[in-house]
Amino acid sequence: DGGITQSPKYLFRKEGQNVTLSCEQNLNHDAMYWYRQDPGQGLRLIYYSQIVNDFQKGDIAEGYSVSREKKESFPLTVTSAQKNPTAFYLCASTLDPPSVETQYFGPGTRLLVL
Amino acid sequence: QKEVEQDPGPLSVPEGAIVSLNCTYSNSAFQYFMWYRQYSRKGPELLMYTYSSGNKEDGRFTAQVDKSSKYISLFIRDSQPSDSATYLCAMSQEGFGNEKLTFGTGTRLTIIP
Repeated sequence: DGGITQSPKYLFRKEGQNVTLSCEQNLNHDAMYWYRQDPGQGLRLIYYSQIVNDFQKGDIAEGYSVSREKKESFPLTVTSAQKNPTAFYLCASTLDPPSVETQYFGPGTRLLVL
Repeated sequence: QKEVEQDPGPLSVPEGAIVSLNCTYSNSAFQYFMWYRQYSRKGPELLMYTYSSGNKEDGRFTAQVDKSSKYISLFIRDSQPSDSATYLCAMSQEGFGNEKLTFGTGTRLTIIP
């Protein structure tokens, strides 16, 4: 069963703590993306990667970091520098070059601050 | 002013009604226009997309783009309770690529049985 998996479904972060959100895909997609969704603001791009060992900042990269060591995996770390991390985080993937038809979103991770 | 404006709703209509969802935009360079459906606490799924102007129909769904007015619409005919979701419009410039996607804020739709 092909798709994108994100874990955990819910994540709690204490002040000053770094947390890592997992995103895995078995679609053999080249490009992977991280979005943040806040109420009333739509989806905003955090980071994207079009190839292994390469990634680019999106519109709101500050306070986040990523790695792309494997084609299937694109973890996102929310660092302590991100002062307002509470949001719904969505991972997406597509073939490269990207196309509308091959884009898929994962089920999301909801991050809450304790 | 946001590049893409979308009425957040919420919008409630009785089952069987025709639903009209809309977005306006300011960037004339947008060429790809997408509609995503997002159920509560789930990831968005692509519903329809249109390249440049015109209409596109898929079953009960029709997408319209009017580039002269910078206005896009999604119509849902014979609406069903299963259509209850948040609908997001998204736009992209000359080449589709997520790094260029601009999303609307989403409209929450409820179909009342």
